Amino acid sequence: EAQVTQNPRYLITVTGKKLTVTCSQNMNHEYMSWYRQDPGLGLRQIYYSMNVEVTDKGDVPEGYKVSRKEKRNFPLILESPSPNQTSLYFCASSTHRDRGREQYFGPGTRLTVT
Amino acid sequence: EDQVTQSPEALRLQEGESSSLNCSYTVSGLRGLFWYRQDPGKGPEFLFTLYSAGEEKEKERLKATLTKKESFLHITAPKPEDSATYLCAVQGRSNDYKLSFGAGTTVTVRA
Repeated sequence: EAQVTQNPRYLITVTGKKLTVTCSQNMNHEYMSWYRQDPGLGLRQIYYSMNVEVTDKGDVPEGYKVSRKEKRNFPLILESPSPNQTSLYFCASSTHRDRGREQYFGPGTRLTVT
Repeated sequence: EDQVTQSPEALRLQEGESSSLNCSYTVSGLRGLFWYRQDPGKGPEFLFTLYSAGEEKEKERLKATLTKKESFLHITAPKPEDSATYLCAVQGRSNDYKLSFGAGTTVTVRA
């Protein structure tokens, strides 16, 4: 089954404690992206990757890091989480031809930073 | 900066009561406008892509249309299973890899 998986699905942590949210896709997609979703603000792009070792900032990259060492994986790293990073996070992927348009989304990770 | 505004924020419909959702956008050279559906507790699911004014796409009870400034998602004779949040997104010529999303319209269809 073609899918994007994220782990963990739920996470409660404290300010300053480094964390990583993993994302993996099994569709051999070149393009992957991370979004955060907040009430009233919609989906906002954090970082995206066009292929292995190629990443770029989205609209809200501050406080986040990413890496793309393998085609299937695109982890999101919060080096020092703060309460304003409490949000619902989605990873997505698509083929290079689509250039990020018709994206397959993961199930989401709900993060709470206290 | 690309911007997307969706209205209304919420829409409550009786089963069979047709209605339309609006997506207004400003973008520097539209490459595409996209509609997604999001069910509670799940990630968005792709519905349609529209590329140029006058274009229309249909899927079951949903029909998406596009003008130079806005898009409409028409829901004809909705059923309870059409209840979801509908998201609109645009991609401009300034960045091939970036989508800008609206905040969504939450549709509730009562039986």
